[in-house]
Amino acid sequence: KAGVTQTPRYLIKTRGQQVTLSCSPISGHRSVSWYQQTPGQGLQFLFEYFSETQRNKGNFPGRFSGRQFSNSRSEMNVSTLELGDSALYLCASGQGTIGEQYFGPGTRLTVT
Amino acid sequence: EDQVTQSPEALRLQEGESSSLNCSYTVSGLRGLFWYRQDPGKGPEFLFTLYSAGEEKEKERLKATLTKKESFLHITAPKPEDSATYLCAVMGGAQKLVFGQGTRLTINP
Repeated sequence: KAGVTQTPRYLIKTRGQQVTLSCSPISGHRSVSWYQQTPGQGLQFLFEYFSETQRNKGNFPGRFSGRQFSNSRSEMNVSTLELGDSALYLCASGQGTIGEQYFGPGTRLTVT
Repeated sequence: EDQVTQSPEALRLQEGESSSLNCSYTVSGLRGLFWYRQDPGKGPEFLFTLYSAGEEKEKERLKATLTKKESFLHITAPKPEDSATYLCAVMGGAQKLVFGQGTRLTINP
């Protein structure tokens, strides 16, 4: 079975721009979660989608948003980028079993 | 607020030298405690789920245990390929995974 895929793998943006990241979950998985990983804060939960509905949300500003499509693929968007948004953004998919999530390789976002 | 603290931050061992990593947690209504392994430049790889105190899980040289306040990841006779960052996470009633900062493990040949 193919794993979770994320595109693009690397991205460089300028402060004030917006960015869209994409995630394709493992086939059959209906839950997709997004995380931000930085050296200082570690892994932090952004939001979770299940069957196209946002099921849960972390403590991030409204500039961070996401959506899930009918084929379970998901996108997250960050508007008005700030330098502090530079991070590894990870997507994880699951079947709905609590916590057993399988991560993709991440998108490394650099904001200059 | 759910919290996870992992110790030590970094651990360097010789090949074959067994040791344990600690994960202390506070959570409202534990639904599960999870261990992941993360290699540089990659996403975390799922290892174990523990649901209640007293539970133990094993996989090759790794064994995870759980009490009401902490979890241990025991590594027996490690090999260089066990070098990675090990992450602990909890899920409570809010159904959000909360991760610790991780333990960076290095196994020298």
